[in-house]
Amino acid sequence: GAGVSQSPRYKVAKRGQDVALRCDPISGHVSLFWYQQALGQGPEFLTYFQNEAQLDKSGLPSDRFFAERPEGSVSTLKIQRTQQEDSAVYLCASSRDSRNEKLFFGSGTQLSVL
Amino acid sequence: KQEVTQIPAALSVPEGENLVLNCSFTDSAIYNLQWFRQDPGKGLTSLLLIQSSQREQTSGRLNASLDKSSGRSTLYIAASQPGDSATYLCAVEGYSTLTFGKGTMLLVSP
Repeated sequence: GAGVSQSPRYKVAKRGQDVALRCDPISGHVSLFWYQQALGQGPEFLTYFQNEAQLDKSGLPSDRFFAERPEGSVSTLKIQRTQQEDSAVYLCASSRDSRNEKLFFGSGTQLSVL
Repeated sequence: KQEVTQIPAALSVPEGENLVLNCSFTDSAIYNLQWFRQDPGKGLTSLLLIQSSQREQTSGRLNASLDKSSGRSTLYIAASQPGDSATYLCAVEGYSTLTFGKGTMLLVSP
């Protein structure tokens, strides 16, 4: 595709609800990243995929967060039993390879947990 | 743990001024440093990528330098325009992740 696509653009969830955020990277991009950005802060790393392999999930804040990329293209970030502190913008990015490549970001999903 | 600091946090200048944004990082073991632009409510747009073996990169009115040994980078914007108004983020690439600073919010007034 022309760019990284994320959906939904906005998501409002009640506390305790499960949510799923989708990322469609640029076609052919090997690497895919998820970041969490709180208001007024820089993005914080959550997890990294190379093709379908999740190589680093050290940034996931708790076991309520789960990410997958089963066929090495589209990725889903799932948050179970959402809490108010999960409210943030979730950004997805992709790149052609794993090193020294520019990252292309989607517009993000703004999650608000009430 | 890598920490990235950006100074100033916010900057307001009149159109036409040249300006410098600063970025510092604590761990010099990096693969590259990248500068991004973020417009309100939008994702990030990559501006420049400097590999660890390079000293600077240029794109149009933008010039970024990297001094890996001292843990510093600067982004120079020449002849600023109102369209340059955005938040500028610096990020360093380590083993598998980018670590970002909090950004510099730039406002260029006509």
